[in-house]
Amino acid sequence: ETGVTQSPTHLIKTRGQQVTLRCSSQSGHNTVSWYQQALGQGPQFIFQYYREEENGRGNFPPRFSGLQFPNYSSELNVNALELDDSALYLCASSLAVSGPDEQFFGPGTRLTVL
Amino acid sequence: GDSVTQMEGPVTLSEEAFLTINCTYTATGYPSLFWYVQYPGEGLQLLLKATKADDKGSNKGFEATYRKETTSFHLEKGSVQVSDSAVYFCALGQAGTALIFGKGTTLSVSS
Repeated sequence: ETGVTQSPTHLIKTRGQQVTLRCSSQSGHNTVSWYQQALGQGPQFIFQYYREEENGRGNFPPRFSGLQFPNYSSELNVNALELDDSALYLCASSLAVSGPDEQFFGPGTRLTVL
Repeated sequence: GDSVTQMEGPVTLSEEAFLTINCTYTATGYPSLFWYVQYPGEGLQLLLKATKADDKGSNKGFEATYRKETTSFHLEKGSVQVSDSAVYFCALGQAGTALIFGKGTTLSVSS
């Protein structure tokens, strides 16, 4: 069984640019959640996808958007990057929809916005 | 809204010392409670969980008991090892919502 993978590992962008982060879910998992972890903070929920549809969203603006594909890979897109978007972005896959079951986390993508 | 508060770190211990990391929560309803661990350069790993009051979660010598009366889920280990050095996150989850995490507590164990 393969785990959750994310790419790239690190990324540097400048303010105003757009970025796409990628996640490959654990085999068979149909739900993916994205979290933003600022330095020294706990992860904050961005949104969740279930069967290619957004299934819940945290307190993040619309410039944060996502996609989930039939093979359960997914993307997080962030437009008009701001300095405060610098963070570790984590994706997590699970079997349950919006439930409190165990979520399997990837290693994250470290985004730096200059 | 729901929230999780955990003790500020860093926590610095010698090998074989006793560990307690405090976690309290505020929630409507009956959440499940979790402890996740994050080793340097890695993602979060589930350490243990409890789904209802008085449940005790345990794994790798760590344990935590879901205390509804004190809204707490403190993490304990009787004898820490250097390999336990990591950041520990307390979290809660309810059906229909995403996980809510505390800010994390950094544990550093020296030999």
